[in-house]
Amino acid sequence: ILNVEQSPQSLHVQEGDSTNFTCSFPSSNFYALHWYRWETAKSPEALFVMTLNGDEKKKGRISATLNTKEGYSYLYIKGSQPEDSATYLCAFDAGNNRKLIWGLGTSLAVNP
Amino acid sequence: NAGVMQNPRHLVRRRGQEARLRCSPMKGHSHVYWYRQLPEEGLKFMVYLQKENIIDESGMPKERFSAEFPKEGPSILRIQQVVRGDSAAYFCASSQGSRANVLTFGAGSRLTVL
Repeated sequence: ILNVEQSPQSLHVQEGDSTNFTCSFPSSNFYALHWYRWETAKSPEALFVMTLNGDEKKKGRISATLNTKEGYSYLYIKGSQPEDSATYLCAFDAGNNRKLIWGLGTSLAVNP
Repeated sequence: NAGVMQNPRHLVRRRGQEARLRCSPMKGHSHVYWYRQLPEEGLKFMVYLQKENIIDESGMPKERFSAEFPKEGPSILRIQQVVRGDSAAYFCASSQGSRANVLTFGAGSRLTVL
């Protein structure tokens, strides 16, 4: 059974803090790892799609790293802002007809 | 570019009725995916379709659920004889291609079964 775990489940930080969370996924049959940001009452929005071991991607204050050999990815947010408050989802892609396996997400709340 | 359009946004049905959820993919996208989010759970894959073809329906319940993506018009997720357990948010996503492409999600359709 393919399983994607995200930790922590929820996180509260102060504005200006930097934070990071983890996505663990199967280390076999890896094709890609996706990160999405899901704000309340909106739909998930893509942040990154990562395919190569050692990949690092960055979008503004958000960055992500990928280790396919050990099966984990980290998402970092530098200098958190209240507008970063959202659930951050990762999804494992084994390449088989796009049946992404989703984690339950890390819910981030940034207090002003 | 209107993005992925889903309607209705909210649908209330009584047990035994039928629910039809529609999804128009983003312009230029020919791949459509349906996901279900049950209360307190994450996104669960249901079905992946290309125009006129079901590619993978392994996440869809065998009975009462069906999906189509006709040559013309939106993709439709159909739930017959709804039960309370079908109450959930149903999200549609589309992509340009099938390999490591970014998914663009619609705003979802929330089904409530009384």
